[in-house]
Amino acid sequence: QEQLVESGGGLVKPGRSLRLSCEASGFIFSDFYMNWIRQAPGKGLEWLSYINPSGTFTYYADSAKGRFTISRDNAKNTLYLQMNSLRDEDTAVYFCAGGSPFRHWGPGTLLIVSS
Amino acid sequence: IVMTQSPDSLPVSLGERATINCKSSQSLLYSSNNKSFLAWYQQKPGHPPNLLFYSASARESGVPARFTGSGSGTDFTLTISSLQPEDVAVYYCQQYFTTPFTFGQGTKLEI
Repeated sequence: QEQLVESGGGLVKPGRSLRLSCEASGFIFSDFYMNWIRQAPGKGLEWLSYINPSGTFTYYADSAKGRFTISRDNAKNTLYLQMNSLRDEDTAVYFCAGGSPFRHWGPGTLLIVSS
Repeated sequence: IVMTQSPDSLPVSLGERATINCKSSQSLLYSSNNKSFLAWYQQKPGHPPNLLFYSASARESGVPARFTGSGSGTDFTLTISSLQPEDVAVYYCQQYFTTPFTFGQGTKLEI
């Protein structure tokens, strides 16, 4: 059974950094484009970034460009999102999702950015 | 590409038909295979979204037959033929024709 599980969220002060992880199981992780998508409390879905199966190509939404870095370790079946210079408006549930369209989703991890 | 859904909220009686519309600011039709790169998702409270349709009308495995996706180019529709209690959710359309991938604002379906 395909499964994605995010981790690494929590309460962080503005300006700090954090790395989210997403561990995959039950499918061939290295075959899939992988994405990060977030959802602010009570709001809609916002796609942030994707990475190709080999990890050689990435793309970012304007809201993530320059502050967020997506990466993957296919040997560990794990996707990452390094987030720097965090802001209040980055408060959201962060989902990893596999494929295009997004066929596999994790349950999400909540990040709260607040002083 | 801007995705616009209508309505934002849709009250429907049990057993009745529900129709959600989605319009893209440019065509999502890929000429080489004549498919539109449009997906529909269902999201229930406290859960991640669940893929219902891709290529505008291709039903994902396990999606009940009462759900239908249709449309092409810039105009798309998600129809639920006979609303069931478990269909109460927020529905999103999403284009994957080009980056940045974008979602509609969501339609809240309620009884």
